[in-house]
Amino acid sequence: KAGVTQTPRYLIKTRGQQVTLSCSPISGHRSVSWYQQTPGQGLQFLFEYFSETQRNKGNFPGRFSGRQFSNSRSEMNVSTLELGDSALYLCASSPEGGGGGYTFGSGTRLTVV
Amino acid sequence: AQSVTQLGSHVSVSEGALVLLRCNYSSSVPPYLFWYVQYPNQGLQLLLKYTTGATLVKGINGFEAEFKKSETSFHLTKPSAHMSDAAEYFCAVSQYGNKLVFGAGTILRVKS
Repeated sequence: KAGVTQTPRYLIKTRGQQVTLSCSPISGHRSVSWYQQTPGQGLQFLFEYFSETQRNKGNFPGRFSGRQFSNSRSEMNVSTLELGDSALYLCASSPEGGGGGYTFGSGTRLTVV
Repeated sequence: AQSVTQLGSHVSVSEGALVLLRCNYSSSVPPYLFWYVQYPNQGLQLLLKYTTGATLVKGINGFEAEFKKSETSFHLTKPSAHMSDAAEYFCAVSQYGNKLVFGAGTILRVKS
């Protein structure tokens, strides 16, 4: 059974640009969540999608957005990148929600220069 | 609001010694509790989870944790540390299984 796949693994962008990260959940999983991991702030919840609808949202500015497609694949977009957006972005999937525990991907390491 | 406190940002043990990583949580409703492990340049791997039922939870790689409601704790233990256990460990809490709130993490070092 394939795990959660995130692409790309590494990304370097310039301040002011925008970026799109992709996540393919485990087959059959309908819930996809995104987390940001930085040395200073740790792991922080960005948002969760379930059946193409945003179900939960964390405390991030509107520059951070996401969506989920009918096949449960998800993308997150960050516009007008700032240096502070440099982080490891982790995607996690779950069949219905988190009660059974989320399975995480390996992450996308975003560096903003 | 939920929160998680992991006592000790770094823990060092000798190979073969007991591993004890501490986690205290706050939650206004019965929580779901998780322990995850992260190896360098990788994502998070679920070690074990508590949702309902038995308060002593066994996970992968010989780890276990006990949910103690009166102490609001969910400490992670392993009887005998192995070199391969060296990693960063995160405790997390969620309400009704939705978004995870993580602790700051504990880096486990295993000395030979």
